[in-house]
Amino acid sequence: DAMVIQNPRYQVTQFGKPVTLSCSQTLNHNVMYWYQQKSSQAPKLLFHYYDKDFNNEADTPDNFQSRRPNTSFCFLDIRSPGLGDTAMYLCATTGGGFSTDTQYFGPGTRLTVL
Amino acid sequence: AQSVTQPDIHITVSEGASLELRCNYSYGATPYLFWYVQSPGQGLQLLLKYFSGDTLVQGIKGFEAEFKRSQSSFNLRKPSVHWSDAAEYFCAVGVPSGGSYIPTFGRGTSLIVHP
Repeated sequence: DAMVIQNPRYQVTQFGKPVTLSCSQTLNHNVMYWYQQKSSQAPKLLFHYYDKDFNNEADTPDNFQSRRPNTSFCFLDIRSPGLGDTAMYLCATTGGGFSTDTQYFGPGTRLTVL
Repeated sequence: AQSVTQPDIHITVSEGASLELRCNYSYGATPYLFWYVQSPGQGLQLLLKYFSGDTLVQGIKGFEAEFKRSQSSFNLRKPSVHWSDAAEYFCAVGVPSGGSYIPTFGRGTSLIVHP
């Protein structure tokens, strides 16, 4: 039973054409994260939400935006994708409590910018 | 700022052999530590985590890790590797932030298993 679902699994877009990636979760978790993972590199945190509170990493480009309309859904918007944005985008969630918290990852969306 | 070092980019072992993947971290306080596994084209799966208490942590799939504060290390071990263990392994340190934590990942170690 999928707990963190990402759509689409694969996305191809053209340079400069906006794209939206979707993440949904059935865990009712408070915290949702978006990571960018380039080939053979570690996942890099872009931003995260604690409930509706948005937390942007200092080095996340302005080109990347996010929306969280409700607890279950979170979106990553790339306003004008560049070739360097080709990567796997991973969504993850945690419940928001430290002692027993586990971070659950979705399968990722592989984005290719042509 | 916190950081994680995984000194080995690739590790090759024979099936049935023991495994140890190295992880060193840098953080000013007691860290939250994690090991994740990632199969090709997939998301990350948590193998085990350390928050406090017993420094030897048991995880899924027969993995364990030991937190050594004096060495700032959290090495992952498995006594007998199976071919299905071939994957990318990431160590991460979690820093408390608000009501949760922010993981910082190492660059990963690719495990190759020979039959």
